[in-house]
Amino acid sequence: AAGVIQSPRHLIKEKRETATLKCYPIPRHDTVYWYQQGPGQDPQFLISFYEKMQSDKGSIPDRFSAQQFSDYHSELNMSSLELGDSALYFCASNRDRSSYEQYFGPGTRLTVT
Amino acid sequence: AQKITQTQPGMFVQEKEAVTLDCTYDTSDQSYGLFWYKQPSSGEMIFLIYQGSYDEQNATEGRYSLNFQKARKSANLVISASQLGDSAMYFCAMREGQGGYGGSQGNLIFGKGTKLSVKP
Repeated sequence: AAGVIQSPRHLIKEKRETATLKCYPIPRHDTVYWYQQGPGQDPQFLISFYEKMQSDKGSIPDRFSAQQFSDYHSELNMSSLELGDSALYFCASNRDRSSYEQYFGPGTRLTVT
Repeated sequence: AQKITQTQPGMFVQEKEAVTLDCTYDTSDQSYGLFWYKQPSSGEMIFLIYQGSYDEQNATEGRYSLNFQKARKSANLVISASQLGDSAMYFCAMREGQGGYGGSQGNLIFGKGTKLSVKP
């Protein structure tokens, strides 16, 4: 069965650079969530999209932006990277509003040096 | 205030024994969902089990069962017959109702996790 795809899996950037993380949800999943998990921390919700519209916002810094495209894939854009942005970034998707399970992708490990 | 509390930072269990991982939650919503995820050292988040707030029976999935005590707001995970491959971080999570049944919408709120180590 198809799973959530995230790319790249690993990314190394320097401070003040920009990064773009991509998420391809499971086919026919219309809702995408982004989470950030710092080292030794629990995942924290950043932002979500439903049917290509932003549906909820969590603790996402102003330096970050995200969108969901017509094919339902989503991109998280991160600018002016800081050392504290080093984390595992997960994307998760939902089939529809009647489905409870949130399927997680393998994550993108971002290291800022 | 913490919405999801996992009071056991680390747990040890002997292989083949059962283990209970504790989780308490705080919500004023009537409709919500409770989840357990496993995160091995490789980093992926693996869905284990789900309990909806309106479900009257405790959820079970193979060796995993969820001991749901609504009045106490607890949702403990029971792993029977532990295996070495069960060694991982376990997260309890909640999704509060934003419409839909059993908290089917909205982001997950995670606890701090419990690191389970299975001893041979």
